[in-house]
Amino acid sequence: KNQVEQSPQSLIILEGKNCTLQCNYTVSPFSNLRWYKQDTGRGPVSLTIMTFSENTKSNGRYTATLDADTKQSSLHITASQLSDSASYICVVSTDSWGKFQFGAGTQVVVTP
Amino acid sequence: DGGITQSPKYLFRKEGQNVTLSCEQNLNHDAMYWYRQDPGQGLRLIYYSQIVNDFQKGDIAEGYSVSREKKESFPLTVTSAQKNPTAFYLCASQGSSGYIQYFGAGTRLSVL
Repeated sequence: KNQVEQSPQSLIILEGKNCTLQCNYTVSPFSNLRWYKQDTGRGPVSLTIMTFSENTKSNGRYTATLDADTKQSSLHITASQLSDSASYICVVSTDSWGKFQFGAGTQVVVTP
Repeated sequence: DGGITQSPKYLFRKEGQNVTLSCEQNLNHDAMYWYRQDPGQGLRLIYYSQIVNDFQKGDIAEGYSVSREKKESFPLTVTSAQKNPTAFYLCASQGSSGYIQYFGAGTRLSVL
């Protein structure tokens, strides 16, 4: 069973609307949680990184939250744009260097 | 793509053939990683290296081999022992000052 579960698997939203993606994990011990954006056929690009002591972090219109007690994270996209259409991947690691557990991603499609 | 170059972008393998995927980085990062991405699944770690001349197996190392003779280079060989090599392969690197992994643009490998 994957230790990082993302939901929904996919979603379609209208341009200008907001959306929230979810990430639940069972990875332990916990070092940090990252959100990546991956355009089709490209490598992932880092959006946010949060350690145990951080519960929110923003990067422009992207805001990530972390509840280390419940092992849940969310990524909120505000005022979506067509360029936000991509897969959003949640990654949890037990240390800074070695192995990371990747979620399967949420495919977001923004329509005009 | 954050200073990481993967080549080729597309690669075709004949049965019984070994093929090598190139990954070069000019970010002066110590750690480098190889991942495999299949549709609907999270990235899975093949091999990683934290220092020159040293590397560790990831979760799915069987049928793959790597070398790390230079800091900037981390080639991946897909051997004939890998019976299901069709996938999107991603190389990443990480520096010592933070948690961000930088990814290359990927190589899509198919079997003829």
